[in-house]
Amino acid sequence: DPKIIQKPKYLVAVTGSEKILICEQYLGHNAMYWYRQSAKKPLEFMFSYSYQKLMDNQTASSRFQPQSSKKNHLDLQITALKPDDSATYFCASSQDRTTNTEVFFGKGTRLTVV
Amino acid sequence: TQTVSQSDAHVTVFEGDSVELRCNYSYGGSIYLSWYIQHHGHGLQFLLKYYSGNPVVQGVNGFEAEFSKSDSSFHLRKASVHWSDSAVYFCAVGQGGRALIFGTGTTVSVSP
Repeated sequence: DPKIIQKPKYLVAVTGSEKILICEQYLGHNAMYWYRQSAKKPLEFMFSYSYQKLMDNQTASSRFQPQSSKKNHLDLQITALKPDDSATYFCASSQDRTTNTEVFFGKGTRLTVV
Repeated sequence: TQTVSQSDAHVTVFEGDSVELRCNYSYGGSIYLSWYIQHHGHGLQFLLKYYSGNPVVQGVNGFEAEFSKSDSSFHLRKASVHWSDSAVYFCAVGQGGRALIFGTGTTVSVSP
């Protein structure tokens, strides 16, 4: 019974298009994150949110915009898609951002940009 | 520069063998360390963590890890591997208020 739901599981997009990756967590956590995993850069941290506020942004491109409509939601909007954006995007959450809290991961959305 | 390094990209062992996966870090201040496992096509699953106290920590499925401040290491070990332990293992470092930063991963292949 997955507690972090990511939709869709697979996504194929055309270069230049825009897509939204969905993430919902049912763990009652206050912190949520996005990570990206590709062959070039394994498991790269992108964003962290706490109580629906952006806390840390390690993504250089403004084409990546997280959106938090509810406390347990953290979607990722990607605009002007490029083939280099092809990767598996993992959503994660933790009780809070303090030290020593376990991070839980979703199963990922595999994005392919053609 | 703060870094997490896993020196072995790939390790092959036979079922029943022991295995040690190395993790070294370069961080200042108070940190916590953890290990995660990723089976093919799945997300990451938590194995164990260390923050303070006994430097040897026990995790799920017979895994343990040992923290060494002098060596800046947090190596993962298992005494007897099973075929189901074939996966990618990630070491991660956390620092108060900041997201986990992961190493590049070690792929473990367990042969029958």
